[in-house]
Amino acid sequence: AQSVTQLDSQVPVFEEAPVELRCNYSSSVSVYLFWYVQYPNQGLQLLLKYLSGSTLVKSINGFEAEFNKSQTSFHLRKPSVHISDTAEYFCAVWSRGRDDKIIFGKGTRLHILP
Amino acid sequence: GAGVSQTPSNKVTEKGKYVELRCDPISGHTALYWYRQSLGQGPEFLIYFQGTGAADDSGLPNDRFFAVRPEGSVSTLKIQRTERGDSAVYLCASSLTAYTEAFFGQGTRLTVV
Repeated sequence: AQSVTQLDSQVPVFEEAPVELRCNYSSSVSVYLFWYVQYPNQGLQLLLKYLSGSTLVKSINGFEAEFNKSQTSFHLRKPSVHISDTAEYFCAVWSRGRDDKIIFGKGTRLHILP
Repeated sequence: GAGVSQTPSNKVTEKGKYVELRCDPISGHTALYWYRQSLGQGPEFLIYFQGTGAADDSGLPNDRFFAVRPEGSVSTLKIQRTERGDSAVYLCASSLTAYTEAFFGQGTRLTVV
């Protein structure tokens, strides 16, 4: 069965510092991978996705994630965070041809320190 | 509509009562998903519809939970004999087809007192 592990439940980081949110997945077949963001009091929004092709994917607000098949990871990074990045970030996996559902990790709360 | 719409946004009910939660997906989306998100947790899969039929209901926790999508558009999640442990945010998402981007609604916050 597929599963997603987000190793950090909470990550504090100073404004303008770099950040990495870690995500590892377990699946025996090829996968689609996603990062969703949930801002305070808002719904889930897709931040970026890996479906195929280039293993490095980017969002419009400066986040990027790299699909690493050998390490079964899809870590999310940003070189310089802003106070507006304060949110909960969820990694998710969808196994092609195996499950018809997206499985989410437990989330990582990104806390930006002034 | 422009996005996935869920009603009500908040629902408070007494233990033992019956509740219905409604999801109106993006027009033309054939796939529809229900998730449940408890405090401090990620969304937990409940059920997936492809068209009118439930393609995967393996996430429904017990037989008190049931969902329908009779015309392949609007879906209703039904919970009988509610328990305090059912309190959570219930999320609905839709996608054009399976394995394409899923768009989430704002959720219904269910509180069982």
